Amino acid sequence: QYVLTQPPSVSGAPGQRVTISCTGTNSNFGADFGVHWYQHVPGRAPKLLIYDNTNRPSGVPDRFSGSKSGTSASLAITGLQADDEADYYCQSYDSDLNDSWVFGGGTKLTVL
Amino acid sequence: QVHLVESGGGVVQPGRSLRLSCAASGFSFSAYAIHWVRQAPGKGLEWVAVIASDGGNKYYADSVKGRFSISRDNSKNTLYLQMNSLRIEDMAVYYCVRDGGWQKYFDYWGQGTLVTVSS
Repeated sequence: QYVLTQPPSVSGAPGQRVTISCTGTNSNFGADFGVHWYQHVPGRAPKLLIYDNTNRPSGVPDRFSGSKSGTSASLAITGLQADDEADYYCQSYDSDLNDSWVFGGGTKLTVL
Repeated sequence: QVHLVESGGGVVQPGRSLRLSCAASGFSFSAYAIHWVRQAPGKGLEWVAVIASDGGNKYYADSVKGRFSISRDNSKNTLYLQMNSLRIEDMAVYYCVRDGGWQKYFDYWGQGTLVTVSS
């Protein structure tokens, strides 16, 4: 089981907006640890998309945005493109689980 | 640019050992903590271990504690993962990942190396 909860799949047509939710607990999001998002195309290295809730690394398009409130977070992707099709993971840090880095189970984004 | 290249994966029987390596380049290796993260077939990402920049502090996931050991050689810009008493459930792609800092995220990932545990 995963400490952070994500939907298994989402889908959208090209040009549309999709959101991926990530639910945490009081020992990670609720303890003010940030949420971070990664894009993973199978067979390739995962890529950091959003760090510390809302920040985009250099080179990540502003079509990707993140938010966090309480024990919930979300990743939004606007202007959906075919090459956005990938697995998306949220990640945080948990103070209850022997101080460990934790992930959600991942969400498969399908571009219709 | 930052490069992390894992090696050492392969097929190993349950109960045996394997050592993974990660060669780093493009950044000041000795200034960063480095992690191992794995992905079992059909599963999500799982954090495995981390080592501080000077090699002093090491932390492990409960699932590998006592069996795996993380180490580094800053003179060779190389990270290691010694995996002992391997189990079927350790079968995964193992990624070498650079620590992003106090916000506790991962900023650069390697391509991964596959460890297959099978009799």
